[in-house]
Amino acid sequence: KNEVEQSPQNLTAQEGEFITINCSYSVGISALHWLQQHPGGGIVSLFMLSSGKKKHGRLIATINIQEKHSSLHITASHPRDSAVYICAVRSAGAGSYQLTFGKGTKLSVIP
Amino acid sequence: EPEVTQTPSHQVTQMGQEVILRCVPISNHLYFYWYRQILGQKVEFLVSFYNNEISEKSEIFDDQFSVERPDGSNFTLKIRSTKLEDSAMYFCASGGVIRETQYFGPGTRLLVL
Repeated sequence: KNEVEQSPQNLTAQEGEFITINCSYSVGISALHWLQQHPGGGIVSLFMLSSGKKKHGRLIATINIQEKHSSLHITASHPRDSAVYICAVRSAGAGSYQLTFGKGTKLSVIP
Repeated sequence: EPEVTQTPSHQVTQMGQEVILRCVPISNHLYFYWYRQILGQKVEFLVSFYNNEISEKSEIFDDQFSVERPDGSNFTLKIRSTKLEDSAMYFCASGGVIRETQYFGPGTRLLVL
């Protein structure tokens, strides 16, 4: 069973700071998702990646398959980025598409 | 932009009652999922559904739970006899041809008293 660990658990940043959230997992994967959970509880999918790097606006996600590690970066952080960021993985193996989730990183960006 | 919708947004029920949580996936999607998140805990996979049958389920998804796609658009999760520990946020998700990408609904917050 894949164990997904995120760090830090909580992160407070000043507006404009560069932010990094880390995710590591224990077993090989087919795909890794970064999700954003708003204070009201809703979940938005940010990225799905299986190798390399993806960028969307101020968000960048990278993955290192050999090291079983992924990072989510936010450049020029803004108070509206305040949310819980969740890493979820699909373990490698035929036929299984269930996701295993990390506990999330709670980000607060202060003006 | 198409989105997954869920109803109700909140539901309060008495222990032992049946509840049905409803989801409308994105219209051309083929793969459907239910997840739950107990307050303060991780999101957990419950079940996936494809081609009118369950394709995977977790240990949590016991005989008290069932899923159905009754009319080709709705996707429902039924809990037959709710327990206090069923109190959680329940998320529906759907995926299209690129099965890896899952789109989540806003969730239904269920409170069992």
